[in-house]
Amino acid sequence: GDSVTQMEGPVTLSEEAFLTINCTYTATGYPSLFWYVQYPGEGLQLLLKATKADDKGSNKGFEATYRKETTSFHLEKGSVQVSDSAVYFCALSDLDSSYKLIFGSGTRLLVRP
Amino acid sequence: NAGVMQNPRHLVRRRGQEARLRCSPMKGHSHVYWYRQLPEEGLKFMVYLQKENIIDESGMPKERFSAEFPKEGPSILRIQQVVRGDSAAYFCASSPQGAGPTDEQFFGPGTRLTVL
Repeated sequence: GDSVTQMEGPVTLSEEAFLTINCTYTATGYPSLFWYVQYPGEGLQLLLKATKADDKGSNKGFEATYRKETTSFHLEKGSVQVSDSAVYFCALSDLDSSYKLIFGSGTRLLVRP
Repeated sequence: NAGVMQNPRHLVRRRGQEARLRCSPMKGHSHVYWYRQLPEEGLKFMVYLQKENIIDESGMPKERFSAEFPKEGPSILRIQQVVRGDSAAYFCASSPQGAGPTDEQFFGPGTRLTVL
């Protein structure tokens, strides 16, 4: 079945460092891809999404590009802030039942001042 | 505009007891989804409900688990005779209509269930 694999955390960075969180997926077709973020004590929030190959999703300085060739959707940010400390989840929508989101295991990011 | 509300946030039960988890969707949302996150794993879909209807319960364990979304009041996920393996975070999400492949689901903060 479809699945999502994320790099394990925690990822610890200094403020203003460059961030990459790797995400690869396995799917029989071309699902929509999402990054959700969970700040401490809160629910998951949609950070960005891409719905077809070569689409780039972006929000709050974060970007991710839907790469069909490498089945990847890596999350990047040029300069992280302490406030970016959170858990980041990569997800795809199930092609047969689009309301089902299939999540990776999450990557915890800790940004130090 | 309140988001998705879940309560309790933390729930401790002894083996064999019942656990009831509540989810109030965002205002105007009539579609609810429950996910479970076991330790060190991603969230996994459990069930999709509309008001008074279960649309898809393919992710629910066959025994001891049930869910409802009545005409009035919150959605309830009920776990009977809990076992240690039920310890997890349970997340509820909602959407204004059935979530399509590009649609956002709005998540609550989760209920962390610990079974002693």
